[in-house]
Amino acid sequence: EDKVVQSPLSLVVHEGDTVTLNCSYEVTNFRSLLWYKQEKKAPTFLFMLTSSGIEKKSGRLSSILDKKELFSILNITATQTGDSAVYLCAVEAPLANAGGTSYGKLTFGQGTILTVHP
Amino acid sequence: AAGVIQSPRHLIKEKRETATLKCYPIPRHDTVYWYQQGPGQDPQFLISFYEKMQSDKGSIPDRFSAQQFSDYHSELNMSSLELGDSALYFCASRDLGLSSTDTQYFGPGTRLTVL
Repeated sequence: EDKVVQSPLSLVVHEGDTVTLNCSYEVTNFRSLLWYKQEKKAPTFLFMLTSSGIEKKSGRLSSILDKKELFSILNITATQTGDSAVYLCAVEAPLANAGGTSYGKLTFGQGTILTVHP
Repeated sequence: AAGVIQSPRHLIKEKRETATLKCYPIPRHDTVYWYQQGPGQDPQFLISFYEKMQSDKGSIPDRFSAQQFSDYHSELNMSSLELGDSALYFCASRDLGLSSTDTQYFGPGTRLTVL
């Protein structure tokens, strides 16, 4: 059974701190790993990672994937109160048109609840 | 840009009733996914459709059924509702024919409360 595990489950920091969120996975078939931010509504897409060792960056957020060790990290620097949310990691199954059979379904981790205090 | 539309946004039902949730994908997207997120839990994949045919099935109870129509919108039908069905139901869509850099886009969700 596919498994995605995130740590820590909960994190409380102060504005300006830097945080690192972890995601490890054990899946039968892998196409990509995605990070989402969820604030009491639909998950908002952050990053899609398919290759090892290539850092993706968007403002204060960055993420990297290690396909050999089967994990990814999401870094947030200079945190702000607006970063408070649940951060979800998900592994995407291969697409049918690329030889897969699962049409890209997502298996989510349990999420990390990040709380940033002023 | 157009996004995924779900209706209704909130739904309150009693036990043993039925509910129908609707999802309208982004125009020209041919694939729809349904996910269920219970309180404090991560989203769980239920079912997906590609070009109006069921493409994959996850942890969807037998009491639930779904389909994708000719206009690509999808409906999730839930019968004999139980208290444990109370959850946020997300629909996501994508264009499988697009480049490998594309991904799923989530709708705002339907919050179902079963009393």
